[in-house]
Amino acid sequence: QKEVEQNSGPLSVPEGAIASLNCTYSDRVSQSFFWYRQYSGKSPELIMSIYSNGDKEDGRFTAQLNKASQYVSLLIRDSQPSDSATYLCAPILISNFGNEKLTFGTGTRLTIIP
Amino acid sequence: SQTIHQWPATLVQPVGSPLSLECTVEGTSNPNLYWYRQAAGRGLQLLFYSVGIGQISSEVPQNLSASRPQDRQFILSSKKLLLSDSGFYLCAWNIATRGIQYFGAGTRLSVL
Repeated sequence: QKEVEQNSGPLSVPEGAIASLNCTYSDRVSQSFFWYRQYSGKSPELIMSIYSNGDKEDGRFTAQLNKASQYVSLLIRDSQPSDSATYLCAPILISNFGNEKLTFGTGTRLTIIP
Repeated sequence: SQTIHQWPATLVQPVGSPLSLECTVEGTSNPNLYWYRQAAGRGLQLLFYSVGIGQISSEVPQNLSASRPQDRQFILSSKKLLLSDSGFYLCAWNIATRGIQYFGAGTRLSVL
């Protein structure tokens, strides 16, 4: 089992609809969870961070965290063509040696259809 | 504000040639520094990280090496490139190991 799993997509969503991106992670303790957006050919940029169970909203983005289920999601409301990108889930996982490591999923490619 | 510089942006190298990629951070002291590689259509693979000058941890054994000669400088090197070394190389930094990582613009390396 991979440490961080995401549906690779592509996920196609009509413009103006809600895009829902999901991520599950291994059973190691984690306190910090990040979502990065990566446009084709560019470096990842942080769009959301979440540290406690529940929802966190920032503009059109909402991150949802459920530590008991080892599940984190990202909702994008009123999707725009500029949201078309690959979204990387990145929890900080604790290794067997006690080291904290930011661990990236392989990403979900999102396409917003005008 | 903090900025991270990475160069060159693109690089085409023949198999067996050496490699040197450089990354520098401005506006902060004693950052943690990271080198990642992203193969085409794949996820990010952590190659090396450093918590201080001369302190390098390797995540994946391969023909690459890293060095940190100065507080805010991180260098990725190879003596002889392989075809499999092609990819998008990213440098990143943060202050706390559990903190947000910020990425440089990346270097796209093609080994032919």
